Amino acid sequence: GQQVMQIPQYQHVQEGEDFTTYCNSSTTLSNIQWYKQRPGGHPVFLIQLVKSGEVKKQKRLTFQFGEAKKNSSLHITATQTTDVGTYFCAPGGHGGTASKLTFGTGTRLQVTL
Amino acid sequence: DAGVIQSPRHEVTEMGQEVTLRCKPISGHDYLFWYRQTMMRGLELLIYFNNNVPIDDSGMPEDRFSAKMPNASFSTLKIQPSEPRDSAVYFCASSLAGNIQYFGAGTRLSVL
Repeated sequence: GQQVMQIPQYQHVQEGEDFTTYCNSSTTLSNIQWYKQRPGGHPVFLIQLVKSGEVKKQKRLTFQFGEAKKNSSLHITATQTTDVGTYFCAPGGHGGTASKLTFGTGTRLQVTL
Repeated sequence: DAGVIQSPRHEVTEMGQEVTLRCKPISGHDYLFWYRQTMMRGLELLIYFNNNVPIDDSGMPEDRFSAKMPNASFSTLKIQPSEPRDSAVYFCASSLAGNIQYFGAGTRLSVL
């Protein structure tokens, strides 16, 4: 796995505001996955990015893989209270699979009305 | 499918006691992972198996920790003897061909 830095560690937004978390690596990544963990819950897979510059959308969530494949971001448009949780990026191994993931430190999102 | 099943959900034990955590992966998955999560250290990979064979145990903190996977549908993580600093949530996850990981609900361990 690869070591990554996730920022910010914590963000508190009002419902309706946008939110972005960033995942940065000093080395080129073969692929990256994103997971969400609700308070008291377990990590749940959201998306996998493989290609340079790739952008994927899931409703209000937009995931991006940098052109150099060294960073990734998750952007949430118009947050809702259901978005509360910790978002982890997890770079995978080589060969197109992610047999060993190294989870980032995570960004904890709090959304208030 | 019931997903990854872990037991027990909660475990409270005294320092020095042996603790065994159990995991049943999703049927057909060939990878199994054990993680530990704490506020201080985040989500750490302890060990993972491929086709029941341990592939990487570099995350296992020390000799007090051991993991086995006797067959494709069962794995254990054992701590002997347990210490208060082992208190954490332990997750098991499984995947097919090393791709998307599906996590169990976790075991919350408290060592007093």
